[in-house]
Amino acid sequence: GESVGLHLPTLSVQEGDNSIINCAYSNSASDYFIWYKQESGKGPQFIIDIRSNMDKRQGQRVTVLLNKTVKHLSLQIAATQPGDSAVYFCAETKANAGGTSYGKLTFGQGTILTVHP
Amino acid sequence: KAGVTQTPRYLIKTRGQQVTLSCSPISGHRSVSWYQQTPGQGLQFLFEYFSETQRNKGNFPGRFSGRQFSNSRSEMNVSTLELGDSALYLCASSLKGAETQYFGPGTRLLVL
Repeated sequence: GESVGLHLPTLSVQEGDNSIINCAYSNSASDYFIWYKQESGKGPQFIIDIRSNMDKRQGQRVTVLLNKTVKHLSLQIAATQPGDSAVYFCAETKANAGGTSYGKLTFGQGTILTVHP
Repeated sequence: KAGVTQTPRYLIKTRGQQVTLSCSPISGHRSVSWYQQTPGQGLQFLFEYFSETQRNKGNFPGRFSGRQFSNSRSEMNVSTLELGDSALYLCASSLKGAETQYFGPGTRLLVL
Protein backbone atom coordinates (compact mmCIF):
# COMPACT_ATOMS: atom_id res chain seq x y z
CA GLY A 1 0.00 0.00 0.00
CA GLU A 2 0.95 3.63 -0.06
CA SER A 3 2.73 5.26 2.84
CA VAL A 4 0.84 7.39 5.28
CA GLY A 5 2.74 10.23 6.87
CA LEU A 6 0.56 11.22 9.79
CA HIS A 7 1.86 10.74 13.32
CA LEU A 8 5.29 9.32 12.64
CA PRO A 9 6.58 6.89 15.26
CA THR A 10 9.44 8.30 17.29
CA LEU A 11 12.46 6.73 18.89
CA SER A 12 14.56 8.60 21.41
CA VAL A 13 17.93 7.20 22.50
CA GLN A 14 21.07 8.27 24.29
CA GLU A 15 24.33 8.69 22.42
CA GLY A 16 26.19 5.40 22.38
CA ASP A 17 23.09 3.25 22.68
CA ASN A 18 22.03 0.84 19.96
CA SER A 19 18.88 1.78 18.03
CA ILE A 20 16.36 -0.50 16.37
CA ILE A 21 13.89 0.90 13.87
CA ASN A 22 11.11 -1.33 12.63
CA CYS A 23 9.08 -1.40 9.46
CA ALA A 24 6.19 -3.52 8.27
CA TYR A 25 6.08 -3.75 4.50
CA SER A 26 2.95 -4.25 2.49
CA ASN A 27 3.62 -6.38 -0.58
CA SER A 28 4.56 -10.02 -0.15
CA ALA A 29 5.82 -9.97 -3.75
CA SER A 30 8.47 -7.32 -2.97
CA ASP A 31 11.96 -8.68 -3.26
CA TYR A 32 14.19 -5.67 -2.71
CA PHE A 33 14.22 -3.45 0.35
CA ILE A 34 16.08 -0.27 1.14
CA TRP A 35 16.55 1.90 4.19
CA TYR A 36 16.87 5.64 3.73
CA LYS A 37 17.76 8.42 6.16
CA GLN A 38 16.29 11.86 5.64
CA GLU A 39 17.62 14.88 7.46
CA SER A 40 15.70 18.10 7.66
CA GLY A 41 15.78 19.99 4.37
CA LYS A 42 17.45 17.16 2.45
CA GLY A 43 16.44 14.30 0.22
CA PRO A 44 16.49 10.69 1.42
CA GLN A 45 19.99 9.26 1.69
CA PHE A 46 20.68 5.59 0.99
CA ILE A 47 21.81 3.62 4.05
CA ILE A 48 21.64 -0.08 3.25
CA ASP A 49 19.66 -2.52 1.14
CA ILE A 50 18.75 -6.20 1.23
CA ARG A 51 17.29 -8.65 -1.24
CA SER A 52 14.65 -11.20 -0.36
CA ASN A 53 17.07 -14.13 -0.67
CA MET A 54 18.84 -12.85 2.44
CA ASP A 55 17.65 -12.36 6.00
CA LYS A 56 20.49 -10.22 7.29
CA ARG A 57 22.99 -7.76 5.88
CA GLN A 58 25.56 -5.67 7.66
CA GLY A 59 27.13 -2.38 6.82
CA GLN A 60 29.18 0.09 8.76
CA ARG A 61 27.41 0.42 12.15
CA VAL A 62 24.14 -0.68 10.54
CA THR A 63 22.44 -4.04 10.15
CA VAL A 64 19.23 -4.79 8.31
CA LEU A 65 17.12 -7.81 9.19
CA LEU A 66 14.39 -9.16 6.95
CA ASN A 67 11.61 -11.49 8.09
CA LYS A 68 9.55 -12.41 5.05
CA THR A 69 7.19 -14.60 7.04
CA VAL A 70 5.74 -11.62 8.84
CA LYS A 71 6.74 -8.99 6.26
CA HIS A 72 8.98 -7.15 8.67
CA LEU A 73 12.19 -5.20 8.27
CA SER A 74 14.37 -3.72 10.93
CA LEU A 75 17.34 -1.41 10.92
CA GLN A 76 19.82 -1.66 13.75
CA ILE A 77 22.24 1.19 14.34
CA ALA A 78 25.14 0.47 16.64
CA ALA A 79 26.60 3.11 18.94
CA THR A 80 24.10 5.73 17.83
CA GLN A 81 25.49 9.23 17.45
CA PRO A 82 23.78 12.66 17.44
CA GLY A 83 24.44 12.83 13.69
CA ASP A 84 22.15 9.84 13.27
CA SER A 85 19.17 11.98 14.28
CA ALA A 86 16.83 12.00 11.28
CA VAL A 87 13.71 10.40 9.83
CA TYR A 88 14.29 6.82 8.68
CA PHE A 89 12.23 5.25 5.92
CA CYS A 90 12.04 1.72 4.67
CA ALA A 91 11.16 1.24 1.02
CA GLU A 92 10.17 -1.83 -0.96
CA THR A 93 9.98 -2.78 -4.60
CA LYS A 94 9.94 -5.77 -6.89
CA ALA A 95 13.18 -5.48 -8.78
CA ASN A 96 13.37 -6.57 -12.39
CA ALA A 97 9.68 -7.34 -12.55
CA GLY A 98 8.99 -4.70 -15.14
CA GLY A 99 5.54 -3.28 -15.65
CA THR A 100 4.16 -1.54 -12.60
CA SER A 101 7.38 -2.03 -10.65
CA TYR A 102 9.67 0.04 -12.85
CA GLY A 103 11.38 2.71 -10.79
CA LYS A 104 8.70 2.62 -8.12
CA LEU A 105 9.60 2.46 -4.48
CA THR A 106 6.81 2.16 -1.94
CA PHE A 107 7.79 3.88 1.27
CA GLY A 108 6.86 3.24 4.85
CA GLN A 109 5.63 6.11 6.98
CA GLY A 110 9.00 6.79 8.54
CA THR A 111 10.36 6.86 12.08
CA ILE A 112 11.84 9.92 13.74
CA LEU A 113 15.08 9.05 15.54
CA THR A 114 16.36 11.54 18.11
CA VAL A 115 19.75 10.96 19.69
CA HIS A 116 20.50 12.82 22.90
CA PRO A 117 24.14 13.65 23.72
CA LYS B 1 30.69 11.57 -9.11
CA ALA B 2 28.18 14.37 -8.73
CA GLY B 3 24.89 13.46 -7.12
CA VAL B 4 21.37 14.10 -8.29
CA THR B 5 20.65 17.79 -8.70
CA GLN B 6 17.30 19.51 -8.74
CA THR B 7 16.35 23.02 -9.69
CA PRO B 8 14.95 25.22 -8.44
CA ARG B 9 15.23 24.39 -4.76
CA TYR B 10 12.30 26.57 -3.75
CA LEU B 11 9.26 27.87 -5.58
CA ILE B 12 6.23 29.91 -4.65
CA LYS B 13 3.28 29.86 -7.03
CA THR B 14 -0.38 30.79 -6.90
CA ARG B 15 -3.36 28.60 -7.59
CA GLY B 16 -4.05 28.05 -11.25
CA GLN B 17 -0.46 28.60 -12.36
CA GLN B 18 1.77 25.91 -13.73
CA VAL B 19 5.27 24.92 -12.73
CA THR B 20 8.19 23.02 -14.22
CA LEU B 21 10.80 21.31 -12.09
CA SER B 22 14.11 19.96 -13.34
CA CYS B 23 16.24 16.99 -12.34
CA SER B 24 19.71 15.98 -13.47
CA PRO B 25 20.53 12.35 -12.61
CA ILE B 26 23.85 10.87 -11.60
CA SER B 27 26.06 10.45 -14.63
CA GLY B 28 25.35 7.11 -16.29
CA HIS B 29 21.96 6.66 -14.65
CA ARG B 30 19.20 6.32 -17.20
CA SER B 31 16.19 5.92 -14.91
CA VAL B 32 14.63 8.92 -13.21
CA SER B 33 11.75 8.61 -10.77
CA TRP B 34 9.73 11.42 -9.24
CA TYR B 35 8.09 11.45 -5.81
CA GLN B 36 5.88 13.84 -3.91
CA GLN B 37 6.45 14.17 -0.18
CA THR B 38 3.87 15.72 2.12
CA PRO B 39 3.34 15.49 5.90
CA GLY B 40 -0.05 13.89 5.38
CA GLN B 41 0.73 11.32 2.71
CA GLY B 42 4.44 10.71 3.08
CA LEU B 43 6.47 9.80 0.01
CA GLN B 44 4.38 8.90 -3.00
CA PHE B 45 5.54 7.77 -6.42
CA LEU B 46 4.61 10.02 -9.34
CA PHE B 47 6.26 8.45 -12.40
CA GLU B 48 9.43 6.95 -13.81
CA TYR B 49 11.28 7.62 -17.05
CA PHE B 50 13.87 5.54 -18.82
CA SER B 51 15.42 6.35 -22.18
CA GLU B 52 12.94 9.16 -22.73
CA THR B 53 9.93 6.89 -22.16
CA GLN B 54 7.54 6.87 -19.25
CA ARG B 55 7.47 3.30 -18.02
CA ASN B 56 5.46 3.67 -14.86
CA LYS B 57 3.00 6.08 -13.35
CA GLY B 58 1.53 6.51 -9.89
CA ASN B 59 -1.97 7.53 -8.89
CA PHE B 60 -1.85 11.22 -9.61
CA PRO B 61 -4.13 13.29 -11.83
CA GLY B 62 -3.20 14.17 -15.38
CA ARG B 63 -2.14 17.65 -14.24
CA PHE B 64 1.13 15.99 -13.27
CA SER B 65 3.29 15.16 -16.25
CA GLY B 66 6.91 14.70 -17.05
CA ARG B 67 9.45 14.05 -19.71
CA GLN B 68 13.01 12.90 -20.11
CA PHE B 69 15.62 14.12 -22.52
CA SER B 70 18.26 12.18 -24.41
CA ASN B 71 20.87 13.09 -21.79
CA SER B 72 18.60 11.52 -19.11
CA ARG B 73 17.74 14.86 -17.55
CA SER B 74 14.09 14.98 -16.60
CA GLU B 75 11.45 17.59 -16.00
CA MET B 76 8.11 17.38 -14.33
CA ASN B 77 5.26 19.77 -14.89
CA VAL B 78 2.23 20.51 -12.78
CA SER B 79 -0.51 22.48 -14.45
CA THR B 80 -3.41 24.34 -12.84
CA LEU B 81 -1.81 24.28 -9.42
CA GLU B 82 -3.94 23.58 -6.37
CA LEU B 83 -3.19 24.36 -2.73
CA GLY B 84 -2.79 20.64 -2.09
CA ASP B 85 0.11 20.48 -4.52
CA SER B 86 2.31 22.19 -1.94
CA ALA B 87 4.96 19.60 -1.23
CA LEU B 88 8.56 18.58 -1.51
CA TYR B 89 9.13 17.10 -4.96
CA LEU B 90 11.97 14.63 -5.07
CA CYS B 91 13.63 12.99 -7.99
CA ALA B 92 15.77 9.90 -7.78
CA SER B 93 18.00 8.25 -10.31
CA SER B 94 19.18 4.69 -10.78
CA LEU B 95 20.99 2.75 -13.45
CA LYS B 96 18.01 0.97 -14.93
CA GLY B 97 15.12 1.51 -12.53
CA ALA B 98 15.18 -1.77 -10.67
CA GLU B 99 17.91 -1.12 -8.15
CA THR B 100 18.94 1.45 -5.56
CA GLN B 101 17.63 4.91 -6.24
CA TYR B 102 19.62 7.96 -5.22
CA PHE B 103 17.71 11.06 -4.35
CA GLY B 104 18.25 14.71 -5.02
CA PRO B 105 17.67 17.43 -2.41
CA GLY B 106 14.17 18.14 -3.68
CA THR B 107 12.24 21.19 -4.82
CA ARG B 108 10.03 22.74 -2.16
CA LEU B 109 6.84 24.04 -3.85
CA LEU B 110 4.44 26.30 -2.01
CA VAL B 111 1.12 27.07 -3.66
CA LEU B 112 -0.71 30.12 -2.33
